[in-house]
Amino acid sequence: GAGVSQSPRYKVTKRGQDVALRCDPISGHVSLYWYRQALGQGPEFLTYFNYEAQQDKSGLPNDRFSAERPEGSISTLTIQRTEQRDSAMYRCASSLNQQGTGEQYFGPGTRLTVT
Amino acid sequence: GENVEQHPSTLSVQEGDSAVIKCTYSDSASNYFPWYKQELGKRPQLIIDIRSNVGEKKDQRIAVTLNKTAKHFSLHITETQPEDSAVYFCAAMNARSQGNLIFGKGTKLSVKP
Repeated sequence: GAGVSQSPRYKVTKRGQDVALRCDPISGHVSLYWYRQALGQGPEFLTYFNYEAQQDKSGLPNDRFSAERPEGSISTLTIQRTEQRDSAMYRCASSLNQQGTGEQYFGPGTRLTVT
Repeated sequence: GENVEQHPSTLSVQEGDSAVIKCTYSDSASNYFPWYKQELGKRPQLIIDIRSNVGEKKDQRIAVTLNKTAKHFSLHITETQPEDSAVYFCAAMNARSQGNLIFGKGTKLSVKP
C-alpha cells in the first residue's frame, strides 16, 4: 500500500513568511510524528499525535511552531514568521499503534529553505 | 531525558567483512530500539528493531543485540556488500512519552568492493 506522503517536497520561502507542511500517514495508522533532520544528523523529535490528540509537543523549538491533526489522519505543521535557522528537512512518520513500541515509517520529507 | 550516543561516526570496511555499530542510551526505562538505514537523499528506512524483553534478534545478514544492564545495543552486519553503504541511525523510544524516538548522530558506513 501507499507509504507516508508529504507535501510540498521542497519549499523556499522568504524570512517572515508563514509556511504549512502537510503529512499524509499510512492509512489506518494511529500515531503520527513530526521530526526535523539537519544535514548529516539524525531526526530530532518535534511533536506527535495519537488519533487527533497531540500527546507531546515538547520538541517544538518555540511558539512559532504548531501542529494539528484535526480528523486523526492528515497533519499540518505550521511555522509562523519563518527565520533562516528554520531551514531543514522536516520529516513525518506514522505507526500503526499508540502503545509506543510500534514501528515508525518515515515520509520523504519537506526540504524547507528560508531565504 | 533520554540521550543516545552512537559510535563510530564513520566506518569503512571491505566487501565481505563484518561491520559493527554501537549505541548507548541513558534512560533505563527505554524499551524499544530500532535501527534505520538512510541512503543519500532518501528517507530513513527501518531495517531491524529490538524490544527490551529480548537480548538478540537476527534477520538474514543483520542482527541486533541489547544489553539492558549496560544500557547499550549494537548492530551487526555480516558479509557486507557495496549496497550496504549508507548512514545508519540507532534510536531509543522515549519511555516517558512512550511515543517519540531519540536518535543517535549516525554512522556513515562505506563498503569498498
